[in-house]
Amino acid sequence: DVKVTQSSRYLVKRTGEKVFLECVQDMDHENMFWYRQDPGLGLRLIYFSYDVKMKEKGDIPEGYSVSREKKERFSLILESASTNQTSMYLCASRGGLWRGDGYTFGSGTRLTVV
Amino acid sequence: AQKVTQAQTEISVVEKEDVTLDCVYETRDTTYYLFWYKQPPSGELVFLIRRNSFDEQNEISGRYSWNFQKSTSSFNFTITASQVVDSAVYFCALNNETGAQKLVFGQGTRLTINP
Repeated sequence: DVKVTQSSRYLVKRTGEKVFLECVQDMDHENMFWYRQDPGLGLRLIYFSYDVKMKEKGDIPEGYSVSREKKERFSLILESASTNQTSMYLCASRGGLWRGDGYTFGSGTRLTVV
Repeated sequence: AQKVTQAQTEISVVEKEDVTLDCVYETRDTTYYLFWYKQPPSGELVFLIRRNSFDEQNEISGRYSWNFQKSTSSFNFTITASQVVDSAVYFCALNNETGAQKLVFGQGTRLTINP
């Protein structure tokens, strides 16, 4: 079965820490996405990548960066975590050939910054 | 720019009632796709339906039905004879199937079905 794996389900970090959220997919998909989910705001796109070493800003990139050194792995980086980055983070991938919606979502990482 | 609006933040109904979740979208593209997802308390996003912009036929799947109207830029979702298991957050989303195919989501509607 197709999978997108996010390394942590829950994470607690301190203000100012550098935080890495990892996402790995096993489907050889070109496109990968990082979303942030907040109540009343839905899912908002932070960054996306359409190929190795390629990245583009989404709607809310401020305070975040990403890395895609290998096709299967897309990392979200919080350079200096702040309390307003406390949220649920969802990773997704999509390839050229697909069924249904074509997107595969990870189970999410709930990050708390204290 | 693309935008999806779900004006209903929360809906609460009694079991067996019918309920409609509204979705209005904005896009300049002529070719696009609309989606509905369900997010139960466990957190994973469950795909429900995908509809392309050239197919305005309504769709029914069991107790679920979708009404796509390009004239009003709406893609509404109706649950007939609701059940407690339908309680979840529901998201409407849009993409234009070009470039990186990013999904634009609405704000979500929290649906609570009371026994």
